[in-house]
Amino acid sequence: AQSVAQPEDQVNVAEGNPLTVKCTYSVSGNPYLFWYVQYPNRGLQFLLKYITGDNLVKGSYGFEAEFNKSQTSFHLKKPSALVSDSALYFCAVRAADGNKLVFGAGTILRVKS
Amino acid sequence: GAGVSQTPSNKVTEKGKYVELRCDPISGHTALYWYRQSLGQGPEFLIYFQGTGAADDSGLPNDRFFAVRPEGSVSTLKIQRTERGDSAVYLCASSQQPNTEAFFGQGTRLTVV
Repeated sequence: AQSVAQPEDQVNVAEGNPLTVKCTYSVSGNPYLFWYVQYPNRGLQFLLKYITGDNLVKGSYGFEAEFNKSQTSFHLKKPSALVSDSALYFCAVRAADGNKLVFGAGTILRVKS
Repeated sequence: GAGVSQTPSNKVTEKGKYVELRCDPISGHTALYWYRQSLGQGPEFLIYFQGTGAADDSGLPNDRFFAVRPEGSVSTLKIQRTERGDSAVYLCASSQQPNTEAFFGQGTRLTVV
């Protein structure tokens, strides 16, 4: 069975500082990994994905994520945080030969000016 | 439309009543997913359609929940004999292929009173 762990309920960072939101996963076989963002009263928005290839993937709004197979991690990063990045972030995993997309519990990101 | 459309956006129903939630996916997307999101939690997988057939319904919590996609486009999630514990935001997503990113609708907030 697949699972995703987001160990931090909340991450606080100052505007302009780098941010990291952590994600580890468990899946049989090769993983497809995704990050989504959810703003208040809005639907989930796709940020980026790892399917295959380079371990560092770049996505929307300056976000990137690094796939680490040995640590089964897919941490979300951004070099310089903006106040407008404040939102709820979800990591998700699907097995390469599967259909079900499983989400973590989410991490609240608060960026303070 | 350009995105996934869900109707209604809000639904209040009395305990024991029957409800239908509708999802209109992005045109041409063959894969369709239903999720349920409770407050403070990540989306919980309910069911996945590939075309007209339910390829994975392992997330449906019990036999009060049922979903159809008769023509391979619009899907309806049906909940019989609603209970207060069914209150949540029901999210629908679609993707072009099963192994690509899923795009989510705004959700239907179901409140059972």
